[in-house]
Formats: sequence, structure tokens, C-alpha cells
Amino acid sequence: SYELTQPLTVSVAVRQTARISCGGDNIGIKRVHWYQQKPGLAPVLVIYGDNNRPSGIPQRFSGSNSGNTATLTISRVQAGDEADYYCQVWDSSTAKFGGGTRLAVL
Amino acid sequence: QITLKESGLTLVEPTQTLTLTCTISGFSLSTKGVGVGWIRQPPGKALEWLALIYWDDDERYSPSLRNRLNITKDTSENQVVLIMTNLDPMDTATYYCVHRLGYGEMDAFDIWGQGTMVTVSS
Repeated sequence: SYELTQPLTVSVAVRQTARISCGGDNIGIKRVHWYQQKPGLAPVLVIYGDNNRPSGIPQRFSGSNSGNTATLTISRVQAGDEADYYCQVWDSSTAKFGGGTRLAVL
Repeated sequence: QITLKESGLTLVEPTQTLTLTCTISGFSLSTKGVGVGWIRQPPGKALEWLALIYWDDDERYSPSLRNRLNITKDTSENQVVLIMTNLDPMDTATYYCVHRLGYGEMDAFDIWGQGTMVTVSS
């Protein structure tokens, strides 16, 4: 079955740029979605289809996808961006999630 | 405004059957392309997709759990029901109801319910 690999933790200082990776076999031919989950809350979709932002998501959030790695980029990181981030793809009509990355804001 | 709200027992004994209900508002389960599904998250762990049912009654299941799951919908009641059989303590998790519009790879889970915590224990 298709597997997605994410780093456990990414640390970044306030106002810097955070990059969270999501690895998968030839993931570049798939469409990647990203979810943000803050403690005690349900996940929120922040990027869909590799690099599209739903209404209400700041422009600081962007995505890219090529080869074997998709990346969620958060520019000008704020303390409020501290959360778990999950990537997700569709594989044979089943949804696959990565293991999640904790973004720690220093 | 689209909302989804999960309900069901919060404590279930091992080997028992779990029934979860998702009550939706702000859209119709009969609208072309609409899908409603379930995703769970054990404490401190990652998200796991379970099942999805579409407007046309097309059902999709996680391959690893399909023999224990059944998803149905009641359009007139605006509800989607997930039944999971033969519960095990490893099924302890928060269960989320989710909305999806469309079948394609571009279509993500755009709206989530608040989740309901289910504990499997004797």
C-alpha cells in the first residue's frame, strides 16, 4: 500500500520560514492535501491539490509537489502556527495520511 | 454554512459493536458529488481514514478495516451512520465525520466535525 513519510518535528523561529516535507513514491504525480491540527481541535484543511488555499487560509501557507517529495511552506511563521500538520493523498480511491509533523515555533 | 456533528456511545466494551452517527447541516446528502466519511485518531497518533459514502450510495472503505465497517446514509434525516464491529482497545480514538465534494484527487476533506472520543474498555 502507498505510504507517506513526514518528519516528526520541524522547529522554526518566529518570522522565519518553515518547510514540512511529505515523502512518497512518485508523489509528484498525485495531488497532495495538507491539514493543520491544533491541540484538542479537529484538523483544518490548509492546502488542497498541492498548492491551493481554501478560503480563509492566509497567503503565508503554500505548497509544492515534485518527484518523491511534497512540501508545505509557511512563511513569516507566527506563534499561532504551532500545530501538527498532516499530508494526505488518494491512492486507488482510498485516503492515505502521513504520520504527521509537529511544528515547534521557537 | 456546512456543519457536521458526531454522536454515539463514548465507552464500549471489547468485542461489542460501535454505532456512530454524523448529523449534517448546510448541504444535502443527495447533492451530486457530495461525500461524507469517517476518520479516526488514536490518542497521540496520526489520522486514519475509515470509510466514505457518496451521494449516489457509492461506498468506500479502508482495505485494512473493510470487513469490520459498514457505512450508510439517511438523506431525509441528514445523517450518516458508521457501524464498526468487534471492537478492540486499539480502536480507542477520536472519530471525526468529514465532508468531501467530488471524487477526484483534487478533492480533499474540506469540512470536519468536532470529533467524538470513543474508549474501548471493559
